[in-house]
Amino acid sequence: QQQVKQSPQSLIVQKGGISIINCAYENTAFDYFPWYQQFPGKGPALLIAIRPDVSEKKEGRFTISFNKSAKQFSLHIMDSQPGDSATYFCAAQGDTGGFKTIFGAGTRLFVKA
Amino acid sequence: DSGVTQTPKHLITATGQRVTLRCSPRSGDLSVYWYQQSLDQGLQFLIQYYNGEERAKGNILERFSAQQFPDLHSELNLSSLELGDSALYFCASSVVAGGGEQYFGPGTRLTVT
Repeated sequence: QQQVKQSPQSLIVQKGGISIINCAYENTAFDYFPWYQQFPGKGPALLIAIRPDVSEKKEGRFTISFNKSAKQFSLHIMDSQPGDSATYFCAAQGDTGGFKTIFGAGTRLFVKA
Repeated sequence: DSGVTQTPKHLITATGQRVTLRCSPRSGDLSVYWYQQSLDQGLQFLIQYYNGEERAKGNILERFSAQQFPDLHSELNLSSLELGDSALYFCASSVVAGGGEQYFGPGTRLTVT
């Protein structure tokens, strides 16, 4: 019930293409769903986040789509650039018998120039 | 730069030893979170402090302990170290107690030999 399943594990996209990463959660007590971007040797950096009362949120080239009934959310990176090459983590936060932040396993994105 | 600082950047120590990792949150943030990142376990939430008090506990071993001081900096103490404790340890901070936007520090890489 505490898991967040993330797919794919790795992704190769051509420059200018759309990168799509998916996550699924089980516990409906989660109420905040952030995405983090991590470059090698650095800490995760908050990219974009959504709450379950909204089905989509867009910030620049990054969009989160949220499906509350399916308990799924996804990150879309439009016009992917080589500088987007990084590891992306989804997460779910909420009070699930004590406040928790559960991370997905991560997706390694490589954008080919 | 997230505004969260962590020291030291690297730490190499032997099995059975004890180490202390230090974290200073962003100015104004009252919550501090500790995470462990390893290759096989991903990002695991360890513990959270809010304004000096323990707020939530995750997958933290009994050999590990943490505290948050009146100036809001936090320390993570790891004792009786094992080879499997080798990992990146991240600290994050947020303004509120209940999660929301978390800002990660650059991490401490711990190597246990």
